[in-house]
Amino acid sequence: NAGVTQTPKFQVLKTGQSMTLQCAQDMNHEYMSWYRQDPGMGLRLIHYSVGAGITDQGEVPNGYNVSRSTTEDFPLRLLSAAPSQTSVYFCASSSGGARQPQHFGDGTRLSIL
Amino acid sequence: QKEVEQDPGPLSVPEGAIVSLNCTYSNSAFQYFMWYRQYSRKGPELLMYTYSSGNKEDGRFTAQVDKSSKYISLFIRDSQPSDSATYLCAMNNNDMRFGAGTRLTVKP
Repeated sequence: NAGVTQTPKFQVLKTGQSMTLQCAQDMNHEYMSWYRQDPGMGLRLIHYSVGAGITDQGEVPNGYNVSRSTTEDFPLRLLSAAPSQTSVYFCASSSGGARQPQHFGDGTRLSIL
Repeated sequence: QKEVEQDPGPLSVPEGAIVSLNCTYSNSAFQYFMWYRQYSRKGPELLMYTYSSGNKEDGRFTAQVDKSSKYISLFIRDSQPSDSATYLCAMNNNDMRFGAGTRLTVKP
């Protein structure tokens, strides 16, 4: 089972560039979410989706966009990259919403120069 | 003040030791409590999940929740080098909140 698959694994961007981080899950989970992980900060929720066509903001949504056109895919877009967005990004999914344990991908390590 | 506080360590113990990892929290609305293990360059994976106060045991792992003190713990018995990882506590009511993680090294 693939579980949650994130691509790319690593990326270096210049300030002002845009890019899309891809996330796909094959567990037919309705709930999907994006987190960023920074040293000393723990995982912080960026955006989440409770199903296709429905998205909402998390704790730190500024500078990021999401869409959910299918159950399987939940891409995260950086509109104009800033050095403060240098982080490790994790996508997660759950069968029972935010209250249930999350299944995580292995992350995308993003550096903004 | 963070909603969830976790000592980042690092914590280093000899093989076979009992490890105690802890988190405190401030939001009394939290009802669901989890521990995740995260190996280097990998995503977090669920270790323990509990809803109520008390203890839950799974093999060498025991999760303890004390809602009156807003304090949760994870105990690892007979620790192994393969337990070397970062351990994250997490809790939620409607939104998930994570601790910063404790880095554990178990030395052979």
